[in-house]
Amino acid sequence: KQEVTQIPAALSVPEGENLVLNCSFTDSAIYNLQWFRQDPGKGLTSLLLIQSSQREQTSGRLNASLDKSSGRSTLYIAASQPGDSATYLCAVLSNTGKLIFGQGTTLQVKP
Amino acid sequence: GAGVSQSPSNKVTEKGKDVELRCDPISGHTALYWYRQSLGQGLEFLIYFQGNSAPDKSGLPSDRFSAERTGGSVSTLTIQRTQQEDSAVYLCASSLGLFTGGGRISTNEKLFFGSGTQLSVL
Repeated sequence: KQEVTQIPAALSVPEGENLVLNCSFTDSAIYNLQWFRQDPGKGLTSLLLIQSSQREQTSGRLNASLDKSSGRSTLYIAASQPGDSATYLCAVLSNTGKLIFGQGTTLQVKP
Repeated sequence: GAGVSQSPSNKVTEKGKDVELRCDPISGHTALYWYRQSLGQGLEFLIYFQGNSAPDKSGLPSDRFSAERTGGSVSTLTIQRTQQEDSAVYLCASSLGLFTGGGRISTNEKLFFGSGTQLSVL
């Protein structure tokens, strides 16, 4: 059974810091890994998708890496801003199409 | 519509009543997912529809929960005899799907979420 774990559960940093969020999964037989952002009281927004054959994806100040063999992914946020404050979730897509989520990391960026 | 639409946005019901939650996916999306999110928690997988294939119901927590997807489009999640522990936000998501036509597999399809239905069972 696929299990997805995110560390840390919560993170508070001053504005301008670079930071790393971690995601690990137990079954490496995945098709892709996705990072999402969730703002309070709202649905999820897709940030980055890394296919199983890829090592990383970048979008603006965000960079996500994938090491499928070790079951790990990281989301790197450069020069954090207060507007980055949200919950970040990772999810892995199994070969049956089922998408399993981690518990999320709640990020607070202080001005 | 342009995005995934869920209704109602809020539902308050009494313990023991049945409720129906609706999801309108993005037009053309063959994959549809239902998740449940309790306060401060991650997303709990409930059920997954992919085209005309039999749905993956492995996440449904009890036989009080069921879901249908009519005509490969709109989906309804039904909870019978609601309990207080059913209180949560129910999120629906859709994508173009993993299994495209002609037996091809597409692993690059992003998931789009609705805003959810906040269910409160009193």
